[in-house]
Amino acid sequence: NAGVTQTPKFQVLKTGQSMTLQCAQDMNHNSMYWYRQDPGMGLRLIYYSASEGTTDKGEVPNGYNVSRLNKREFSLRLESAAPSQTSVYFCASKYFGGQNTEAFFGQGTRLTVV
Amino acid sequence: DQQVKQNSPSLSVQEGRISILNCDYTNSMFDYFLWYKKYPAEGPTFLISISSIKDKNEDGRFTVFLNKSAKHLSLHIVPSQPGDSAVYFCAASARSGGSNYKLTFGKGTLLTVNP
Repeated sequence: NAGVTQTPKFQVLKTGQSMTLQCAQDMNHNSMYWYRQDPGMGLRLIYYSASEGTTDKGEVPNGYNVSRLNKREFSLRLESAAPSQTSVYFCASKYFGGQNTEAFFGQGTRLTVV
Repeated sequence: DQQVKQNSPSLSVQEGRISILNCDYTNSMFDYFLWYKKYPAEGPTFLISISSIKDKNEDGRFTVFLNKSAKHLSLHIVPSQPGDSAVYFCAASARSGGSNYKLTFGKGTLLTVNP
């Protein structure tokens, strides 16, 4: 059971380059999330998708776009990377059906923008 | 405005003793609280949770206590083991206003358990 899979695991970009971080889950979850983790800042929500066909901004959405491709996949795009976007990015998913449940996280993508 | 606060960046305890990690929150709409554990170079993994209708939840060595009037929760690990050394994140979600989809995290506490 793979859970939440993120690709790539590592990436180095030059300032101004673009890239897409991929995320897929096989748990039939309806909600998916992108977080970033920075030293001393904890996990901050970038964007989320409550269900297939919907996306919403989180706490730190500037400089990012997302696509909920289908129920399984939720991608995060950096159109013009900046050094401030150097971070570890985590994708997560959870089932939302009226009751609270935990979210499951991927292994992370470590992104460096030079 | 930080809605979930973990005021201790780090905690060091001896193996076999109790570890107590604390978390405070400001949003009175939060009604579900979780603790995640994170090892370096791995994603966070769910540890234990508690609903606001309870004041205690226990799972093996891990117990979470919730004090709603103080907007405070704590995670107790007894006995602590070296393998428990990790960053622990407190998280919360709210049922209403669309926030029930989202988890809001604290900044984390690095726990070191010394042999």
